[in-house]
Amino acid sequence: DAKTTQPPSMDCAEGRAANLPCNHSTISGNEYVYWYRQIHSQGPQYIIHGLKNNETNEMASLIITEDRKSSTLILPHATLRDTAVYYCIVRWYNNNDMRFGAGTRLTVKP
Amino acid sequence: NAGVTQTPKFQVLKTGQSMTLQCAQDMNHNSMYWYRQDPGMGLRLIYYSASEGTTDKGEVPNGYNVSRLNKREFSLRLESAAPSQTSVYFCASSEDREEKLFFGSGTQLSVL
Repeated sequence: DAKTTQPPSMDCAEGRAANLPCNHSTISGNEYVYWYRQIHSQGPQYIIHGLKNNETNEMASLIITEDRKSSTLILPHATLRDTAVYYCIVRWYNNNDMRFGAGTRLTVKP
Repeated sequence: NAGVTQTPKFQVLKTGQSMTLQCAQDMNHNSMYWYRQDPGMGLRLIYYSASEGTTDKGEVPNGYNVSRLNKREFSLRLESAAPSQTSVYFCASSEDREEKLFFGSGTQLSVL
């Protein structure tokens, strides 16, 4: 699976959009981009995933560049409860081995 | 709907002791996983089971054994605990390999 690079930490003002970047320059054509988050010491929570098209669900939007070498997770109106560590994972669709890196610690401030 | 249930939530062991971490899911998922998370680190895959009757090693399998008892249950055993195995252990399940993971609330294990 391709390796990902994320900034270690980011801040965001409450009510503003949080844009979390992820670099995956070695991604291959059949690898998906997944995003999870971990709030405090809870188990990680799935957010969204995509292959090449932009995706949106009730939690967030995922923007993948045309060359697929990077992506951005967008939380449109961040709240204090969105403070968490966000993990970007690139995974071959049929591969069980989903590997989490260090992620980005997002702090939403009042 | 309980989802993924892990027991126990906390455990303290002495070096050399053995124990089994239990995990059960009620979502009829085929795949199950065990991860560990050390302080300030991301999750690392220990073992996974793509379906009932199969298990495979992940990134850090040494010192652990697993059993996929049936479709619902996937246990993790430490035969001779070491201080390096002090960690938080998470179990997860997914409908199939390509689907999203659902995680349990974790087991905090300390080995003295």
